[in-house]
Amino acid sequence: SAVISQKPSRDICQRGTSLTIQCQVDSQVTMMFWYRQQPGQSLTLIATANQGSEATYESGFVIDKFPISRPNLTFSTLTVSNMSPEDSSIYLCSVATEETQYFGPGTRLLVL
Amino acid sequence: KQEVTQIPAALSVPEGENLVLNCSFTDSAIYNLQWFRQDPGKGLTSLLLIQSSQREQTSGRLNASLDKSSGRSTLYIAASQPGDSATYLCAVSWTNAGKSTFGDGTTLTVKP
Repeated sequence: SAVISQKPSRDICQRGTSLTIQCQVDSQVTMMFWYRQQPGQSLTLIATANQGSEATYESGFVIDKFPISRPNLTFSTLTVSNMSPEDSSIYLCSVATEETQYFGPGTRLLVL
Repeated sequence: KQEVTQIPAALSVPEGENLVLNCSFTDSAIYNLQWFRQDPGKGLTSLLLIQSSQREQTSGRLNASLDKSSGRSTLYIAASQPGDSATYLCAVSWTNAGKSTFGDGTTLTVKP
């Protein structure tokens, strides 16, 4: 199994600012992902965080808006840049093993 | 386009009833399918994962079935309890890359 922690758990930010979310896993994992859950909606994949190389972004998401770092196999960060109220969401870190997919508790972001 | 649909969007049942949640997907060549539970304001908890080669998985009062040919999965909950009240999410992976496409979820309310 994998235990995932995220920091911060929640934040309230002003528009135009940036927030960096941290994801820490208790074991080394190859596959790590970042998802977004907008209010009242399901999860949408933002990108795959690749260790030692640039992240792979899904359609509709770009590196300038959501830069991602993955310095090693247990840690990743997601930055939400130049925030607007539309970025208010829950951001979830996820890892996948051969057995299953695990999710962190999420970071609840409110942009005013 | 690979899509996941869940019906109904919401379901309310009296305690003790057996119930079925439905998930359909557009491309039958899936790698695996996973059911999650999400409580309000919380992260995701994995319930059951069905590999492409499997037909069903069981855990306690939960049974998930998979019919790839029809592009459907069902989550059967026996003898429902108020503690089962949550949003249930279906997630499909079409490759072994670990990332998933989520349905919009079914919000279940079990009344005492």
